[in-house]
Parts: sequence; C-alpha cells; structure tokens
Amino acid sequence: QKEVEQDPGPLSVPEGAIVSLNCTYSNSAFQYFMWYRQYSRKGPELLMYTYSSGNKEDGRFTAQVDKSSKYISLFIRDSQPSDSATYLCASTGGGNKLTFGTGTQLKVEL
Amino acid sequence: GAVVSQHPSWVICKSGTSVKIECRSLDFQATTMFWYRQFPKQSLMLMATSNEGSKATYEQGVEKDKFLINHASLTLSTLTVTSAHPEDSSFYICSARAQDVLTEAFFGQGTRLTVV
Repeated sequence: QKEVEQDPGPLSVPEGAIVSLNCTYSNSAFQYFMWYRQYSRKGPELLMYTYSSGNKEDGRFTAQVDKSSKYISLFIRDSQPSDSATYLCASTGGGNKLTFGTGTQLKVEL
Repeated sequence: GAVVSQHPSWVICKSGTSVKIECRSLDFQATTMFWYRQFPKQSLMLMATSNEGSKATYEQGVEKDKFLINHASLTLSTLTVTSAHPEDSSFYICSARAQDVLTEAFFGQGTRLTVV
C-alpha cells in the first residue's frame, strides 16, 4: 500500500464548477499536508500548506484535513481553464522527506 | 516569491555520455536541496537529499555512482547523470528548502532528459 493514495483521474469539469480533489494517507506520523499544482512539463508549485485538522482557505482554494480518517482534500471554487493541471498532494512527518501522491489530472473546459 | 532555477530545461544526449543538471536558489540560501525523478503520469520519486557541504543521502535503489550530486554552495546543487542510457530518460526536478523552513516550497522547472 502506498503511503499516500490519490486518484489519478483524469477529472474533467465545466468552467465555474467546484472541484474536489482528494487523497488518503496511511502513515500516522504525517503531520503536515501540502497541495502542489504542476503544469505539463513544469516543476510543482506549492498551493496550500496545512498542519492541523480543519479547513484553510486561500482565495478560490480550500484545503481540508481530517486526521481521524487520514483524508485530505482540496476544493477549487469557480474553476477556470487556467486551473487545468495536475494536482499533487504531499505529506511529511516533519523530517526531510515529502511523500507525494500520484497526482490528479484536472481539465476545466470552457 | 523565492525562485529556484533549474538548467537546462531539456537535453538530448548520446548513450554513454554524462549530463549535468544545475539547480540554483536565486534569492535565498538553500541548506537542503532535493532531487526527484518523474515518469509520465506518475508521482515524484525522491532520488536523493543533499545538504550544503556534505555528501548526499540517496534513497534506496538509487545508484550514487550513476547519479552524482554535489551541493557545494548554499545556492547551487548539481546532478550529474553518468554514462547515461536510454532508461535514464526522464523528467528530473530539484527543490530547495531554506534553513528552519519545514517543507519544500520551491521547485525548479524540471529538466527533460532524453538519452538516444
């Protein structure tokens, strides 16, 4: 079992839709949770970074962590074609190493 | 925001030759840099962690003699793929972390290596 599981998609939504991206993790030592956005042939870009259970909002993006069920989510409101990318969740226990999910490919269509 | 510059963005080389990829932190001191490899539609696979001035720590299964990592300064780390073979063709990405910062906020733009 991978430590971080993520549905690879692809996920296709119409412009303006609310997008829900999800990951599960198995390592109880994970305390920090990140979401990265990666455009094709580019390096990942950090979108959101959370520590505790609950919600964290930044503009159209909301990250949600439920440590009791080991479930992390990213919501994108009013999705735009420019949001089309691969979204990677990642977790760490506070040491050096990040563990990434496989990424979910998102396409927002006009 | 902070920028990590990776060069080259793409390279084609012949089998048996060596290729060097540079990763620079442009406006902060990167005490730790990470090198990843990514296959199409797959996640980032950590290859090694390098700390400035010390030897890199390689992940299990990564050949340290094939993937030479040097982190000679707080702003520069290099990955050299030695005696490259077609199976080394991949997307290589570096990331950098400043001291006392918990996670990797800054990734390079990646290098697509094709070995022919």
